[in-house]
Amino acid sequence: QKEVEQDPGPLSVPEGAIVSLNCTYSNSAFQYFMWYRQYSRKGPELLMYTYSSGNKEDGRFTAQVDKSSKYISLFIRDSQPSDSATYLCAMTRGYSSASKIIFGSGTRLSIRP
Amino acid sequence: GAVVSQHPSRVICKSGTSVKIECRSLDFQATTMFWYRQFPKQSLMLMATSNEGSKATYEQGVEKDKFLINHASLTLSTLTVTSAHPEDSSFYICSAPTSQDTQYFGPGTRLTVL
Repeated sequence: QKEVEQDPGPLSVPEGAIVSLNCTYSNSAFQYFMWYRQYSRKGPELLMYTYSSGNKEDGRFTAQVDKSSKYISLFIRDSQPSDSATYLCAMTRGYSSASKIIFGSGTRLSIRP
Repeated sequence: GAVVSQHPSRVICKSGTSVKIECRSLDFQATTMFWYRQFPKQSLMLMATSNEGSKATYEQGVEKDKFLINHASLTLSTLTVTSAHPEDSSFYICSAPTSQDTQYFGPGTRLTVL
């Protein structure tokens, strides 16, 4: 069993829709949670990070963490074609981003104009 | 945000040759950098942790004699793929954590071994 599970998709939604991306994890030692966006043939771009359970909002993006259920989500509101990319959840065991990152497999998202 | 660069962005080499990839933190110092490999339609797999002034730490299954890592300064880490073979063809990405508790990734280097 992988430490971090993420539905690979692909996920296709119409422009303007709300997108929900999810990951589950098995190790309660994970403390630091991140979402990265990766366009084809590019390095991952950090979107959001959080330590605690609950919601964190940044513009059209909301990251949600439920440590009791070992479940994290990323919501994208008013989705745009430019949001089409692969989204990777990521987490570390330590409280610092200097710890080793464990990635989910990534979800390929396509926003239809 | 912080910037991490990689050079070259793309390299094609013959089987049996060695290839060096550079990773630089442009506006911050990084005592630690990470090297990842990513095959098509797969996630990033950590290869090794590069430590400034000391030996790199390799993940299980990664050959340290094949993937040489040197972290000679606080802004530069290099990965050398020695005696490259076609199965080493992949997308190699480095990352560096900042003091603001974030980790930034480089743009990646696409290696093709003929």
